[in-house]
Amino acid sequence: GQNIDQPTEMTATEGAIVQINCTYQTSGFNGLFWYQQHAGEAPTFLSYNVLDGLEEKGRFSSFLSRSKGYSYLLLKELQMKDSASYLCAVRDPHRDYKLSFGAGTTVTVRA
Amino acid sequence: IAGITQAPTSQILAAGRRMTLRCTQDMRHNAMYWYRQDLGLGLRLIHYSNTAGTTGKGEVPDGYSVSRANTDDFPLTLASAVPSQTSVYFCASSREAGPNTGELFFGEGSRLTVL
Repeated sequence: GQNIDQPTEMTATEGAIVQINCTYQTSGFNGLFWYQQHAGEAPTFLSYNVLDGLEEKGRFSSFLSRSKGYSYLLLKELQMKDSASYLCAVRDPHRDYKLSFGAGTTVTVRA
Repeated sequence: IAGITQAPTSQILAAGRRMTLRCTQDMRHNAMYWYRQDLGLGLRLIHYSNTAGTTGKGEVPDGYSVSRANTDDFPLTLASAVPSQTSVYFCASSREAGPNTGELFFGEGSRLTVL
């Protein structure tokens, strides 16, 4: 089966940096996505990696190493509004290119 | 801008009853999906449709059925609800399916409680 692991919870201070790790063991790989989900709301797309390396988008960056089955999402200059769950998802060609999600990491930003 | 609309937002249902969750998108996306989200388990794919007229089974399809009569609508039916189907249900869409599947756009969710 699909195995996508993320830490359950993380806490950080406003203005700091937090790194959310995601490791995956899936039947196939064709891209990794990160989504943000505020409590009681729908997930929204943050970033996408298909090749190794770092993708930067403002305060958020995402890194991928396909050989290690590893990704991280880096949140810089944390703001209170960044308190949310962050979901890692792998697109798998052996599952008709459907996304399999990790359980999510809840990030709490403290003043 | 509507995007994806789900209904109802919330529902309490007696076990054994039939229930249909509605999902409509106005983005003309080809692919649509139903996920359920449970604490500690994340989002799990129930059923999907790569294009109008076709459907497929996801990870947890048992007890659910879907249809895709047109591009815009993708209802999810629970034929005879059981308490283990208590969950938050998210409908989603993407422009394409297959290797070009890009980001998913999610509806606001339907919270279903089966007693």
